[in-house]
Amino acid sequence: DGGITQSPKYLFRKEGQNVTLSCEQNLNHDAMYWYRQDPGQGLRLIYYSQIVNDFQKGDIAEGYSVSREKKESFPLTVTSAQKNPTAFYLCASSITGGFEQFFGPGTRLTVL
Amino acid sequence: GEDVEQSLFLSVREGDSSVINCTYTDSSSTYLYWYKQEPGAGLQLLTYIFSNMDMKQDQRLTVLLNKKDKHLSLRIADTQTGDSAIYFCAESKNTGNQFYFGTGTSLTVIP
Repeated sequence: DGGITQSPKYLFRKEGQNVTLSCEQNLNHDAMYWYRQDPGQGLRLIYYSQIVNDFQKGDIAEGYSVSREKKESFPLTVTSAQKNPTAFYLCASSITGGFEQFFGPGTRLTVL
Repeated sequence: GEDVEQSLFLSVREGDSSVINCTYTDSSSTYLYWYKQEPGAGLQLLTYIFSNMDMKQDQRLTVLLNKKDKHLSLRIADTQTGDSAIYFCAESKNTGNQFYFGTGTSLTVIP
C-alpha cells in the first residue's frame, strides 16, 4: 500500500535535547512538507522540499532543521533552540505542481 | 503568509445540515480545498474547487465559492456522528507547491 509513515507516534524529550522526527513516503512524490499544529492555530509550514537535496524555509523554520538526501525521506530535527516545541507535527507529500497533499498520521512531541 | 480564517467551533444535530465557512485574503489563489482531520490523525482531502468555479457538489458535500468576497463554504447534508472532526480550509497557487491552511473548525455532531 502506498502512503506516508511518521514515527514515532508519541515522543517525549527533555529540555535542551535535539530530537529527530521521521517521515517516509512510497508514493514517488517529489515534494514533501513539515507542518506544526497547535490548538486553535491550524497548520503552520515549517519547511518544504520540492526535490532531493533542496529545501526551503516555511513560516516558522526557526529552531528546526531538515535534510532531503533521498526522495522517500524528509526527517525533521527539532533543536534545543526551538523555544516551544511541544506540538503535533504533520508530514505531507505531493507531486510537483499537484493540488493534493497527502498527510502522514502525525507525531505528538512533548517536551518535559 | 496568506491569511485563511475559520471559526473554531460548530455544533449541529445529527441529520441536520452543517455549513463551515472560510475567508481568505489572496485573490490569486488557484485552488481551494477542504480537508478533514479525525482525532489524533493526519488530514484527508475531502474536496477541492478551482478558483474559476462557483460551486462543486460531491455526494453529501457542496462547496460554494464567492470570489468577490473571498469566501468559501462547505455544506454537509444529513450530518452524521462520523462527520465529527476538524475541517480545514486551504488555498494554493499553481505557481508553486505552498499551501496555506486555515485555523480549522471543530465540528461536533450531537446524536
